[in-house]
Amino acid sequence: DAKTTQPTSMDCAEGRAANLPCNHSTISGNEYVYWYRQIHSQGPQYIIHGLKNNETNEMASLIITEDRKSSTLILPHATLRDTAVYYCIVRVEAGANNLFFGTGTRLTVIP
Amino acid sequence: DAGVIQSPRHEVTEMGQEVTLRCKPISGHDYLFWYRQTMMRGLELLIYFNNNVPIDDSGMPEDRFSAKMPNASFSTLKIQPSEPRDSAVYFCASRPRMRAAADEQFFGPGTRLTVL
Repeated sequence: DAKTTQPTSMDCAEGRAANLPCNHSTISGNEYVYWYRQIHSQGPQYIIHGLKNNETNEMASLIITEDRKSSTLILPHATLRDTAVYYCIVRVEAGANNLFFGTGTRLTVIP
Repeated sequence: DAGVIQSPRHEVTEMGQEVTLRCKPISGHDYLFWYRQTMMRGLELLIYFNNNVPIDDSGMPEDRFSAKMPNASFSTLKIQPSEPRDSAVYFCASRPRMRAAADEQFFGPGTRLTVL
């Protein structure tokens, strides 16, 4: 599975959009981009995933560049409860079941 | 649905003792995963099962670790004998059968293990 690169930490003001970038320049054509987050003292939580097209659900939006070498997770109106470590994961959908979480981005939402 | 259930939530034991962690996956899920999380190594997959059968245990650190899934609703991760370096948070996760464009794993709250 392709390796991902994320900033170590980010801050965001409460109520503003949080934009979390992820670089996956070695992604293959059959690899999906997944996002999970882990709130302190809890297990990881699935957020969203996509292949080529931008995706949106009740939690977030995922913007994938046309060359698929990078993506951005957008939390449209960040709240204090969104403070967590966000993991960008790239993997083949029907391949091995291992989710390699990496170090993620620690997002702190500031009041 | 109660989600993935793990017990105990916290476990403190002494080096050399046997430790058993338990997991009840979400009903109807075909896959079960055991992960370990430490500050140094992050979140690592230890082993996963498909329909109660172990598929990949390459992440199990050594022979002191063993995992079983006797039925679809229960799994255990055992460490015998335990060592201080086994101290970590152990997560269990489950996932339904692979569907097109779906790979959401549902994680339990974790068991925080401290080996003195």
